[in-house]
Amino acid sequence: DAGVIQSPRHEVTEMGQEVTLRCKPISGHNSLFWYRQTMMRGLELLIYFNNNVPIDDSGMPEDRFSAKMPNASFSTLKIQPSEPRDSAVYFCASSQRSKNTIYFGEGSWLTVV
Amino acid sequence: GQQLNQSPQSMFIQEGEDVSMNCTSSSIFNTWLWYKQDPGEGPVLLIALYKAGELTSNGRLTAQFGITRKDSFLNISASIPSDVGIYFCAGPNFGNEKLTFGTGTRLTIIP
Repeated sequence: DAGVIQSPRHEVTEMGQEVTLRCKPISGHNSLFWYRQTMMRGLELLIYFNNNVPIDDSGMPEDRFSAKMPNASFSTLKIQPSEPRDSAVYFCASSQRSKNTIYFGEGSWLTVV
Repeated sequence: GQQLNQSPQSMFIQEGEDVSMNCTSSSIFNTWLWYKQDPGEGPVLLIALYKAGELTSNGRLTAQFGITRKDSFLNISASIPSDVGIYFCAGPNFGNEKLTFGTGTRLTIIP
């Protein structure tokens, strides 16, 4: 079975550019999570969706970050404009709402220079 | 907010040794999860625990859900090179799907 699929795997962009990260959750999963991982702060939950609806976005750092889930099989995390401090690994994860176990994608490694 | 503290932060062991690590919380959890992250990859679920006192094994890995519901333990027996990585505990709040992740234990195997 396909796991959570993220793209791009790696992105290097210049400060000020828009960055869009994409995620396809596991089929049949109705919860989707965006996490950010850095050395300093570890794994932080940015936002999560249930049945395509954003439930909690309290982890989104600031207005430059936005996330959408237009349908059950696709989500995006957008950073506009990007800044060097946004450099991190961004993980998408999904789960079935009835279960607490979530499954991660391989991550999108973002470097903003 | 909730915090999950993992101990130790890092471990340097020789191949074949057993490993023990733990995770403590400032509040009660109803589920404990253990993940492993290989370099350059996303975390992968190892073991899920759903009941206080529960002891669950997955091959050479054994995890326990603490009786107080505020801690959990992970043991690895007879470590091998592919055990290298970062081990995270995680848990959700009651009635909440958000997972809080621990600070991680980085395991290094010395040749």
